[in-house]
Amino acid sequence: DAGVIQSPRHEVTEMGQEVTLRCKPISGHNSLFWYRQTMMRGLELLIYFNNNVPIDDSGMPEDRFSAKMPNASFSTLKIQPSEPRDSAVYFCASRLGGQGHGYTFGSGTRLTVV
Amino acid sequence: DAKTTQPNSMESNEEEPVHLPCNHSTISGTDYIHWYRQLPSQGPEYVIHGLTSNVNNRMASLAIAEDRKSSTLILHRATLRDAAVYYCILRDGDFGNEKLTFGTGTRLTIIP
Repeated sequence: DAGVIQSPRHEVTEMGQEVTLRCKPISGHNSLFWYRQTMMRGLELLIYFNNNVPIDDSGMPEDRFSAKMPNASFSTLKIQPSEPRDSAVYFCASRLGGQGHGYTFGSGTRLTVV
Repeated sequence: DAKTTQPNSMESNEEEPVHLPCNHSTISGTDYIHWYRQLPSQGPEYVIHGLTSNVNNRMASLAIAEDRKSSTLILHRATLRDAAVYYCILRDGDFGNEKLTFGTGTRLTIIP
């Protein structure tokens, strides 16, 4: 099992550009989560999906952020236009439903907006 | 979400047991107690979770107080690789609520 796969690992972009982060969850997991981590705010949940349906997007900071999950094996987080304050490490996690299972996180995408 | 309180930092000697405390006085009957850790430059990693009874796995043990208002993560023999930030999190066990909300955690330093 390759775990949760995120790409790219690092992204440097100029302010105003569109950024797309990608995530492949563990096969068979039916919940997917996007988190953002900064020194100031720690780990924040942005949005999560259950069976490919967005359930809670209350953590999405503003309309510049959008997330999709077109199928069970792929999700994207898009920022358009990007701003320097979006610089952070973005983590994707997936989970198999039921109380006996933990969340598996990817290695993250470090985004720098200059 | 019910809150947890953890010490900001702890130190322990290598090869000694480590007891990481967590207070959660407002825990509800359906809240599961989860522990995750985050090693430097990595994503969080699941450690253990439980509801009422103590739990053991290959990584650690979780001791839950009888009134469930506190819990302790036990690393039986710390190694340098255990240096990480440890998060104690309450997750509502009601079906349909999948949120896992992280606090600031305890930064564990292992002294060689």
